[in-house]
Amino acid sequence: GQQLNQSPQSMFIQEGEDVSMNCTSSSIFNTWLWYKQDPGEGPVLLIALYKAGELTSNGRLTAQFGITRKDSFLNISASIPSDVGIYFCAGQATNSGGGADGLTFGKGTHLIIQP
Amino acid sequence: KAGVTQTPRYLIKTRGQQVTLSCSPISGHRSVSWYQQTPGQGLQFLFEYFSETQRNKGNFPGRFSGRQFSNSRSEMNVSTLELGDSALYLCASSLGLEETQYFGPGTRLLVL
Repeated sequence: GQQLNQSPQSMFIQEGEDVSMNCTSSSIFNTWLWYKQDPGEGPVLLIALYKAGELTSNGRLTAQFGITRKDSFLNISASIPSDVGIYFCAGQATNSGGGADGLTFGKGTHLIIQP
Repeated sequence: KAGVTQTPRYLIKTRGQQVTLSCSPISGHRSVSWYQQTPGQGLQFLFEYFSETQRNKGNFPGRFSGRQFSNSRSEMNVSTLELGDSALYLCASSLGLEETQYFGPGTRLLVL
């Protein structure tokens, strides 16, 4: 099946620093999504990308849909303590029937912020 | 607007039992997807329902099944539970197929 390689696995940064994480795939996705998950909760949608090359911002978060449709990155600027959590990328592809597959998730990036 | 709700939030079962989990989507959303999250395998797609019909299925054994009701609420069932079924089961709803998915808080299942 499809797999997403998400890196880095974890990040230890100082408050105020910028953060960058990315996902790559061997296959094409039509949609890229970025979620954040806090302990004991479900993933919360941060940014959705629907078009190759698209660059979208949500406050201090910026994400891009790669031109090849096989990668995406997420940047967080000026990190704050509440940014701590696990960030997941997810891709959605078209299946053989022409519809959309279920989401394929990366393994997550653990973001830890030192005050 | 209320988010996706899942019940129960926590559940403990023993091997061989069966379990039913429930999901109520965001009002107006007609598609419901289910995912399993474990430390080892991460988040994996189980199945998706739309208009009471299963539209998509992941690579899980037949012990995992689901259904959707006319009000878009969905249930998933796991029969003959195994220790490896211990996981966080997440439900996500969307307006329709291929639309952005919003997740509920999950049901944490522990199989002893």
